[in-house]
Amino acid sequence: DAGVTQSPTHLIKTRGQHVTLRCSPISGHKSVSWYQQVLGQGPQFIFQYYEKEERGRGNFPDRFSARQFPNYSSELNVNALLLGDSALYLCASSSRGGFTDTQYFGPGTRLTVL
Amino acid sequence: AQSVTQPDIHITVSEGASLELRCNYSYGATPYLFWYVQSPGQGLQLLLKYFSGDTLVQGIKGFEAEFKRSQSSFNLRKPSVHWSDAAEYFCAVDNNNDMRFGAGTRLTVKP
Repeated sequence: DAGVTQSPTHLIKTRGQHVTLRCSPISGHKSVSWYQQVLGQGPQFIFQYYEKEERGRGNFPDRFSARQFPNYSSELNVNALLLGDSALYLCASSSRGGFTDTQYFGPGTRLTVL
Repeated sequence: AQSVTQPDIHITVSEGASLELRCNYSYGATPYLFWYVQSPGQGLQLLLKYFSGDTLVQGIKGFEAEFKRSQSSFNLRKPSVHWSDAAEYFCAVDNNNDMRFGAGTRLTVKP
């Protein structure tokens, strides 16, 4: 079975631009979570979606938004990019909302903001 | 403030030696506790988790962790380290759907 997939693998943007990152969960999983991992730090929780509804939100500005589609795939959007948004963006899927079910992580999208 | 602390940024152990990685949390109640491993090209993988009950938790790859409420700790252990265990290890807590990771401990394994 395919694991969690993310696209693109790498992305280079300039300050002020916007970016859309995509995630496809493991088949049968209905929850997707997004994390930002700055180099040298642990992942920071951004959003969780379950059954297309937002179930949790971390401490990120409104420039960050996300949605989940009927097929449970998800997009993370970041507007007005800042240099500090450069990071590895991780997507994780699980069967249900919350964090008690095991989360399976994708390989990530490396975003560089110049 | 709520936090997860991994006091050791980098640990080096010899292959075959025992390992203990420290994790402390600062929350009012006992949160759900996790350990993840991140290897280059492998992504983040769950090693084990604790919700309640027996305070000694067994995980994958021969790892275990012990929850100690009095010390607000959830340390990860392995009796004999293998070279393939070299990676970054993250402790994480979920306190009412607020998931937080520590800064990580990088493990180097000497031959």
